[in-house]
Amino acid sequence: DQQVKQNSPSLSVQEGRISILNCDYTNSMFDYFLWYKKYPAEGPTFLISISSIKDKNEDGRFTVFLNKSAKHLSLHIVPSQPGDSAVYFCAASGEAGNKLVFGAGTILRVKS
Amino acid sequence: KAGVTQTPRYLIKTRGQQVTLSCSPISGHRSVSWYQQTPGQGLQFLFEYFSETQRNKGNFPGRFSGRQFSNSRSEMNVSTLELGDSALYLCASSLDFRNEQFFGPGTRLTVL
Repeated sequence: DQQVKQNSPSLSVQEGRISILNCDYTNSMFDYFLWYKKYPAEGPTFLISISSIKDKNEDGRFTVFLNKSAKHLSLHIVPSQPGDSAVYFCAASGEAGNKLVFGAGTILRVKS
Repeated sequence: KAGVTQTPRYLIKTRGQQVTLSCSPISGHRSVSWYQQTPGQGLQFLFEYFSETQRNKGNFPGRFSGRQFSNSRSEMNVSTLELGDSALYLCASSLDFRNEQFFGPGTRLTVL
């Protein structure tokens, strides 16, 4: 049972444009969400997080939006840069402490 | 501040052997979590340790175990290795509950 879903396996965006990565979750107990970026053979790099008491969090070029009623979150990257090309994972945690449940990831390709 | 370090980076074992992986968290972080990444199952939570106590456990067999020392360093052990245990094993540290988790580079385990 996939509790965190990233339905787009890949996304291709032109440099300078907006990248929007989506994530859906099913467990209503999740109340803390994170986005990670990952290159092959490296550990995930933390990008941005949001708790369920907020609906938006910004950090530089990265903004995460949370729609609790739809159980949906999205990561916006503006403007996209070639160095952003990587696999992006959405993760969620809830009542089970620090356990993170990850989505399958979305491969982002930013073309120059 | 130094990041999360994991040793060894690469390991080759044969079926039936056991293996111990090591993780040193970011200084001051007391929570250490372990994850397994495989192409088929993605990133899956193994367990979390906080102040030398296992605080949370994922759905893995008892062959997977871990511990945490008083300096917050952690080890995980896999006994009676199976081919399916071949994976990237990632360690993540955080200050505590509901804080961002920062990942190490991982240990690539290959079981022959």
